[in-house]
Amino acid sequence: GAVVSQHPSWVICKSGTSVKIECRSLDFQATTMFWYRQFPKQSLMLMATSNEGSKATYEQGVEKDKFLINHASLTLSTLTVTSAHPEDSSFYICSAPTIAGGLADTQYFGPGTRLTVL
Amino acid sequence: KQEVTQIPAALSVPEGENLVLNCSFTDSAIYNLQWFRQDPGKGLTSLLLIQSSQREQTSGRLNASLDKSSGRSTLYIAASQPGDSATYLCAVKGTNAGKSTFGDGTTLTVKP
Repeated sequence: GAVVSQHPSWVICKSGTSVKIECRSLDFQATTMFWYRQFPKQSLMLMATSNEGSKATYEQGVEKDKFLINHASLTLSTLTVTSAHPEDSSFYICSAPTIAGGLADTQYFGPGTRLTVL
Repeated sequence: KQEVTQIPAALSVPEGENLVLNCSFTDSAIYNLQWFRQDPGKGLTSLLLIQSSQREQTSGRLNASLDKSSGRSTLYIAASQPGDSATYLCAVKGTNAGKSTFGDGTTLTVKP
């Protein structure tokens, strides 16, 4: 079946530094990928939609200058948390639909990246 | 705006019981609904996907139903086992953009 990977699986950084998280579709192409954030004991909240070859679409309340998204190829999307602060500590999960953003498909989720900002 | 609610928030049952998890959504114009399992500190594992044209899907001891008109889905787990202990999330995919809206989840504990 389709597989989505994320790297790194966990990262600890100092306040003020930037952290890049990669999301890869390993055996299929994805023109669209989604980035979610999950705080402890809460559900997943969509942050942004990553579009290959164009700008990402951000959900209301998500700072696009703080969470930079680059969808450089059909198999890779990156999320960069710039000038990270402790309140950015969270579990970040990406997903990709198996049919290029089509509607009658399955979302495959990456294993997630746990970010801790000291 | 789609809103997804899951009831109960937490459930504890003895091993062997059959149980039902509920998911409701406010906008019935959906394309599909997916049930996931999440273990503590881990990512999501897809359990069942129901297309909007379908009424139910089954996989092993799991059965998910969908009633679009009433905005409800249920996940039925038969003969529960301690290994079923996890948080169960339902996600509704809307008619455009392909993004999913998640419920808050039901945390299930199955006691040996």
